[in-house]
Amino acid sequence: AQSVTQLGSHVSVSEGALVLLRCNYSSSVPPYLFWYVQYPNQGLQLLLKYTSAATLVKGINGFEAEFKKSETSFHLTKPSAHMSDAAEYFCAVSEANAGKSTFGDGTTLTVKP
Amino acid sequence: DAGVIQSPRHEVTEMGQEVTLRCKPISGHDYLFWYRQTMMRGLELLIYFNNNVPIDDSGMPEDRFSAKMPNASFSTLKIQPSEPRDSAVYFCASQAAGYNQPQHFGDGTRLSIL
Repeated sequence: AQSVTQLGSHVSVSEGALVLLRCNYSSSVPPYLFWYVQYPNQGLQLLLKYTSAATLVKGINGFEAEFKKSETSFHLTKPSAHMSDAAEYFCAVSEANAGKSTFGDGTTLTVKP
Repeated sequence: DAGVIQSPRHEVTEMGQEVTLRCKPISGHDYLFWYRQTMMRGLELLIYFNNNVPIDDSGMPEDRFSAKMPNASFSTLKIQPSEPRDSAVYFCASQAAGYNQPQHFGDGTRLSIL
């Protein structure tokens, strides 16, 4: 069965600092992995997705994530945080026999000036 | 292209009243999902449909909740009777066929039951 664990429900960084949001997954088959972002009063929107073509995936707004099979991880990073990055971020896993994605509990990112 | 459209955006009603939330998925998408989001419980999957057929409704909290998808372009989530603990933001999402496809979310309905 597929599952996702996001380590840290809240992460706070200073503007210009590195952003690192952690996601570990469990899957019985090679998974597809997604990161979504939710800004206040909006629905979730796709940041990036891993579909086995490349282990380093680049997304919108300067975010990227690296798939590490040996660590069952798909951590999200951004070299330099901007105030506009403040939002909630969700990691999700999908596998062929599951029929749907499973979402993590989310991580709220705060960016301090 | 239009995204997932939900209505109403906000709903305030009194306890005991019937509430109907509406969703228009992206044309051509085969899957439709209903979620509920609260501070306490986070994002919860309530039910999802594939080609208009309900596949998994194990997340529906009680018999007071029901969902229908009469055709590929419309779905409703109904709460009858409503209770204050149903207050939440309800999201609809749709997805194209294929487990490598992302879900596309609407902007949600913010429901307040007084």
